[in-house]
Amino acid sequence: DAGVIQSPRHEVTEMGQEVTLRCKPISGHDYLFWYRQTMMRGLELLIYFNNNVPIDDSGMPEDRFSAKMPNASFSTLKIQPSEPRDSAVYFCASSLGLKVRNEQFFGPGTRLTVL
Amino acid sequence: DAKTTQPPSMDCAEGRAANLPCNHSTISGNEYVYWYRQIHSQGPQYIIHGLKNNETNEMASLIITEDRKSSTLILPHATLRDTAVYYCIPSNYGGSQGNLIFGKGTKLSVKP
Repeated sequence: DAGVIQSPRHEVTEMGQEVTLRCKPISGHDYLFWYRQTMMRGLELLIYFNNNVPIDDSGMPEDRFSAKMPNASFSTLKIQPSEPRDSAVYFCASSLGLKVRNEQFFGPGTRLTVL
Repeated sequence: DAKTTQPPSMDCAEGRAANLPCNHSTISGNEYVYWYRQIHSQGPQYIIHGLKNNETNEMASLIITEDRKSSTLILPHATLRDTAVYYCIPSNYGGSQGNLIFGKGTKLSVKP
């Protein structure tokens, strides 16, 4: 199994541009999580899905952030418009089933730099 | 208030056991203790979890005190590749209250 796949691995963009981060969870996993990590705030949960349905988006910082999961094998996190304070490493994670929902497999992350 | 207290950093000699403590005095009765680690520039990695009994897997052992207010993660024979930040996270798996909340963790440095 290839594990959780994220793309791109690095993204550099200018303030005001739209940014789309992509994630392919492990096949068969029904939970998908998006996290953000910064030096100041540490690792924070942004949103998670169960069976492609968003369950808790209380961690999404503001309306500029949106996440979708159109099918079981693909999710996107979009920032529009991007701002320098969005610079961070964004991780996607997946897990299988309610009782093991917190045994999460993390992807390698996308390092986003907004200039 | 932080749910856990972990030392910010620890050193361990290669080949020796690494014992990483965590205080979680406000843990709820239905919360497990999860341990994750994050090697530099990588995503976090699940290690082990437990409710009240000691647990062991191929990566580590977890010792939970009888009152469940603290736990210790044991890496029996630490290697240089175990250098990472280790997170102790009380959580259940149900609903939003079961979300993983990562604190600052313990930075473990394994030295040759």
